[in-house]
Amino acid sequence: GDSVTQMEGPVTLSEEAFLTINCTYTATGYPSLFWYVQYPGEGLQLLLKATKADDKGSNKGFEATYRKETTSFHLEKGSVQVSDSAVYFCALGGSYIPTFGRGTSLIVHP
Amino acid sequence: EADIYQTPRYLVIGTGKKITLECSQTMGHDKMYWYQQDPGMELHLIHYSYGVNSTEKGDLSSESTVSRIRTEHFPLTLESARPSHTSQYLCASSLDGRVYDGYTFGSGTRLTVV
Repeated sequence: GDSVTQMEGPVTLSEEAFLTINCTYTATGYPSLFWYVQYPGEGLQLLLKATKADDKGSNKGFEATYRKETTSFHLEKGSVQVSDSAVYFCALGGSYIPTFGRGTSLIVHP
Repeated sequence: EADIYQTPRYLVIGTGKKITLECSQTMGHDKMYWYQQDPGMELHLIHYSYGVNSTEKGDLSSESTVSRIRTEHFPLTLESARPSHTSQYLCASSLDGRVYDGYTFGSGTRLTVV
């Protein structure tokens, strides 16, 4: 079946550091890929998405590229801020029920 | 601005009580879902619906039940709450059944059963 594996956290960075959160997937067919963000006490919000191979999703300085050859969708940001502290979920869609990764907590210190 | 609303945000209730968690959306989405989120953050699908009068159980066995009498409303009911039901419950909806456009999530209900 479909599955998503993302790096375990917490990831702890200083403000303005470079961020990478790894995500790999296994799926049949041609799924869409998503990153969601969950701030403390809130539900998940869609951060970015990519619907086909080589697409790059971007939003709020975050980027991720759909790499079919490596089955990956790594999340990156060039300079993180304290306000980026949250939990990030990689997800795979394309069937009726999406598959979520286990979430990666990001902590950014001033 | 959230288009999917969950009430209450927080609930503390005694063992054995019946509770209903409310979820409503104003986007006209046919597909709606309930997730249970454990303290380790992982999401577990417990119920979903593809439209009015359609409900299905998800991957995680749950003692809760759901109903879908109106498109916009997808309440979750626990007939007899237990401490093991303590968790965060997230409601979501989507326009496309294949989720190409992703989900919209509510802010969640944090349930504590004492």
